[in-house]
Amino acid sequence: QSALTQPASVSGSPGQSITISCTGTSSDIGFNDYVSWYQHHPGKVPKLLISDINTRPSGVSSRFSGAKSGNTASLTIAGLQAEDEAIYYCTGYTVSSLFVFGTGTKVTVL
Amino acid sequence: QVQLVESGGDLVKPGGSLRLSCAASGFTFTDYYMSWVRQAPGKGLEWVSYITGSGRTIYYADSVRGRFTISRDNAKSSVFLQMSSLGADDTAVYYCARLGRSFGAFDIWGQGTVVTVSS
Repeated sequence: QSALTQPASVSGSPGQSITISCTGTSSDIGFNDYVSWYQHHPGKVPKLLISDINTRPSGVSSRFSGAKSGNTASLTIAGLQAEDEAIYYCTGYTVSSLFVFGTGTKVTVL
Repeated sequence: QVQLVESGGDLVKPGGSLRLSCAASGFTFTDYYMSWVRQAPGKGLEWVSYITGSGRTIYYADSVRGRFTISRDNAKSSVFLQMSSLGADDTAVYYCARLGRSFGAFDIWGQGTVVTVSS
């Protein structure tokens, strides 16, 4: 049960778009559509941004979007804003009915 | 409103045991699977365990299987995590989280409870 692989950090200027990758295997990311993404500001509670690869819960900005190709999922943040500075995690559901989180990506707004 | 409130976090000695509780409100508890997720100091989020709405099916992460037991009391809208044989690696903030209608997503999180394993 290995963590999904994410880049340690991604940065961008305000207004730019950035993409965070989440790489797994055919036993997790590639196995089904249960890919979700979370935003975590240190000291606060994680927040669900995306479920089922690309579905945004009510109240989540349309600047956040998800995609998947093969064993890799991705989260794109468009129109980067200062408030987007946080740590982002992906999650997958495995063939063994277990969940696995990504290693986390720190997003810095320059 | 929909809410999860954890309790039970404490300082415990290595090899000791601890029971965490999570009280749910604002939704039909039996309709949802419930889970525990933890975050060790300076580390990322780690899924720990989940339990189905009926309580009949349970899954654990490899790192806690055989030491932790998840359970729920639907009459009290509560979920529990009994932890034993605790080690330093179990030191973390433990979050209670609801698995939403989209099964693969943790849509509601509690504020977390801190477990510290140290002599």
